[in-house]
Amino acid sequence: QKEVEQDPGPLSVPEGAIVSLNCTYSNSAFQYFMWYRQYSRKGPELLMYTYSSGNKEDGRFTAQVDKSSKYISLFIRDSQPSDSATYLCAMSGNTGNQFYFGTGTSLTVIP
Amino acid sequence: DAGITQSPRHKVTETGTPVTLRCHQTENHRYMYWYRQDPGHGLRLIHYSYGVKDTDKGEVSDGYSVSRSKTEDFLLTLESATSSQTSVYFCAIGRRDRGQETQYFGPGTRLLVL
Repeated sequence: QKEVEQDPGPLSVPEGAIVSLNCTYSNSAFQYFMWYRQYSRKGPELLMYTYSSGNKEDGRFTAQVDKSSKYISLFIRDSQPSDSATYLCAMSGNTGNQFYFGTGTSLTVIP
Repeated sequence: DAGITQSPRHKVTETGTPVTLRCHQTENHRYMYWYRQDPGHGLRLIHYSYGVKDTDKGEVSDGYSVSRSKTEDFLLTLESATSSQTSVYFCAIGRRDRGQETQYFGPGTRLLVL
């Protein structure tokens, strides 16, 4: 079983839609949770990070962590064509030095 | 922008030849990482470093070696390249942002082994 599972998609939505991206994990020691955005032929770009459980909002983006269910989500409101990218979840434990990544979900926002 | 550069950005080589990829950072971070990214596998850790001359293996280290003689440079070497090492290679630095460990990535190196 992989440490982190992420549905690869692809996901295609109309402009303005709310997008929900999700990851599940198996290691209860994970404390730090991150979302990266990766445009085609570019390096991953850190989008948001959260510690432990709860919600964090940044503009149109909201990250949620549910440690009891070992489930994290990224919501994108009022999605834009510029949001078209692959989104990677990542997490790490107490040491924080080794990160575990999902395989990424490909998102296309159609104008 | 975490001040990370990778060189070369693209490389084509032949099976059996040695290849060295370079990662350079400008912010003096202690932790540096090498990943490879392949379809269906996502990002997989090859090696990482927690200081000058201090390195450790990751998930997919076979066939790779690393060196870090200066804080700012982390080198990845394929001693004898194989076609299975065709991939996109990303370097990352570890940084603590407001109490949380995060990683920032370089632009990547596309390697094709023929």
